[in-house]
Amino acid sequence: NAGVMQNPRHLVRRRGQEARLRCSPMKGHSHVYWYRQLPEEGLKFMVYLQKENIIDESGMPKERFSAEFPKEGPSILRIQQVVRGDSAAYFCASSPPLGFYNEQFFGPGTRLTVL
Amino acid sequence: AQSVTQLDSQVPVFEEAPVELRCNYSSSVSVYLFWYVQYPNQGLQLLLKYLSGSTLVKGINGFEAEFNKSQTSFHLRKPSVHISDTAEYFCAVSGSGGSEKLVFGKGTKLTVNP
Repeated sequence: NAGVMQNPRHLVRRRGQEARLRCSPMKGHSHVYWYRQLPEEGLKFMVYLQKENIIDESGMPKERFSAEFPKEGPSILRIQQVVRGDSAAYFCASSPPLGFYNEQFFGPGTRLTVL
Repeated sequence: AQSVTQLDSQVPVFEEAPVELRCNYSSSVSVYLFWYVQYPNQGLQLLLKYLSGSTLVKGINGFEAEFNKSQTSFHLRKPSVHISDTAEYFCAVSGSGGSEKLVFGKGTKLTVNP
């Protein structure tokens, strides 16, 4: 069973461009979480999605950031008009359908560099 | 809302020495507690978790942690470290609702020297 996959692993964008980060959850997992790790910081929650639904987006910046998890295909985190402050590692985690406790399995991350 | 404080940003130790990485949390509701390890340029791997029951939790790679509700702590310990334990360690907390976001501390960089 393959783990959580993220691509690209490294992404370089110039200021003002768009960044698209993809996350394929583990087989059978229907919940996806996105976290951001700034340099010298811990991970900060951004958004929690289930198939076709955003459940909790309390950690998402109000502008330029959006996320989706369509019925088919990977979850996408989209950053429009990137700025230098968006440079960070973005991690996706997935978990199985609701239960007593749902462990989150993390992908290897996408490291975004904004020039 | 929950928060996590990792009291040491860096911990250097010698190989085969014991180590303790400290973690305190705050929450107004029941919580689950976790320790994750991150090796350079990799994702996070779960070391151990406390959900309920025994306050002493054993995890992978010889690590263990003790949940102390009165002190709101969840310190990570290993009696004898190896060079390969060099990594960053993150303490995290979530609500006990089942599928809830994780709130992480800032991490402790453990460096094991020969």
